[in-house]
Amino acid sequence: AQSVTQLDSQVPVFEEAPVELRCNYSSSVSVYLFWYVQYPNQGLQLLLKYLSGSTLVKGINGFEAEFNKSQTSFHLRKPSVHISDTAEYFCAVSSSGTYKYIFGTGTRLKVLA
Amino acid sequence: NAGVTQTPKFQVLKTGQSMTLQCAQDMNHNSMYWYRQDPGMGLRLIYYSASEGTTDKGEVPNGYNVSRLNKREFSLRLESAAPSQTSVYFCASSGQGNQPQHFGNGTRLSIL
Repeated sequence: AQSVTQLDSQVPVFEEAPVELRCNYSSSVSVYLFWYVQYPNQGLQLLLKYLSGSTLVKGINGFEAEFNKSQTSFHLRKPSVHISDTAEYFCAVSSSGTYKYIFGTGTRLKVLA
Repeated sequence: NAGVTQTPKFQVLKTGQSMTLQCAQDMNHNSMYWYRQDPGMGLRLIYYSASEGTTDKGEVPNGYNVSRLNKREFSLRLESAAPSQTSVYFCASSGQGNQPQHFGNGTRLSIL
């Protein structure tokens, strides 16, 4: 069975500092990986996706993630955060042959001035 | 460019009442989904529809029913609401081949 683990429920970071939000997954088949962002009282918006190809994926708002198959990880990074990046971030996994997407429990990023 | 539209945005029900949450997408997606979001639990899949005419249970289907009315619309029904169903409900859709999901803005449902 698939699962997604986001170990950090909250991550505080100062403005202009780098940040990494961790995501680990388990799956016995080929995976497709996603990061979404949720601002207060809104739905989820896609930040970036890994479907195939290059393991370093660039997304919107300066975020990037690296697919590491050996460590079953897909960590999200940004070299310099802004106040406006304060939001909740969700990692999700899907597998070939299934229509289901499994979500992690989310990481709340709080950017401090 | 509407994307995924959910109605209503907010609803308060009494225990035992019924209601239907509506969802429509205009992206010609085959697959549609209903999730609930509760604090600290992420998104949990209630039901999904891989294509028009099919529906399947997700992780937490008890107390809910769904209807895939046509390719655009996928509704979620609570037949007899319970306080444990107080949550934020999200509808999503996706194209073929494990493409990213597109989400609506959610329905905030409180059951007293």
